[in-house]
Amino acid sequence: DAKTTQPTSMDCAEGRAANLPCNHSTISGNEYVYWYRQIHSQGPQYIIHGLKNNETNEMASLIITEDRKSSTLILPHATLRDTAVYYCIVRVTGANSKLTFGKGITLSVRP
Amino acid sequence: EPEVTQTPSHQVTQMGQEVILRCVPISNHLYFYWYRQILGQKVEFLVSFYNNEISEKSEIFDDQFSVERPDGSNFTLKIRSTKLEDSAMYFCASSEPVRPNQPQHFGDGTRLSIL
Repeated sequence: DAKTTQPTSMDCAEGRAANLPCNHSTISGNEYVYWYRQIHSQGPQYIIHGLKNNETNEMASLIITEDRKSSTLILPHATLRDTAVYYCIVRVTGANSKLTFGKGITLSVRP
Repeated sequence: EPEVTQTPSHQVTQMGQEVILRCVPISNHLYFYWYRQILGQKVEFLVSFYNNEISEKSEIFDDQFSVERPDGSNFTLKIRSTKLEDSAMYFCASSEPVRPNQPQHFGDGTRLSIL
């Protein structure tokens, strides 16, 4: 079973920041937080991952609380193309460890 | 940007028939995976593969399933005798070996429909 809890859905206005929360209160010291998204029926798309420090790339920022029990994915300027299901996943350290997907959060970006 | 490619995009097969789903991982990747997603349900892990061996498999991956890397570029999933409940989207993924915890990159899947 997934070790994360996410709201079922949220929406935001186009051009505004989208802040997607995730709880992972039972995360272990050797587990990373990954975010993926799935647009319609396409394959999951990697967004970002982190261990304990905040991370930023060209797609998003990942803010992890100091106790590592929760995190927030930030899309700084949401567009209509960001409408998707977003998955927060806790993954054990290891070269080819599996991803365990939950139900994710459906983000709807409105014009 | 390099990507994982999967063929065919849609496969229709009669129940009881064998089916082979094909994947071309990103060229410098050495870890390979199959996942599936039944319509309306979660993405589920099937199997991981490295160095011509299965690293881990789920309960779903029973004796009817097998994986193979027949050459230097392809990675295949075979279902020997398909059942109605095998109908799903099947996603292939790969990751590079340089450092641990490298993200898995997914293809856009093969939709398998069993009649």
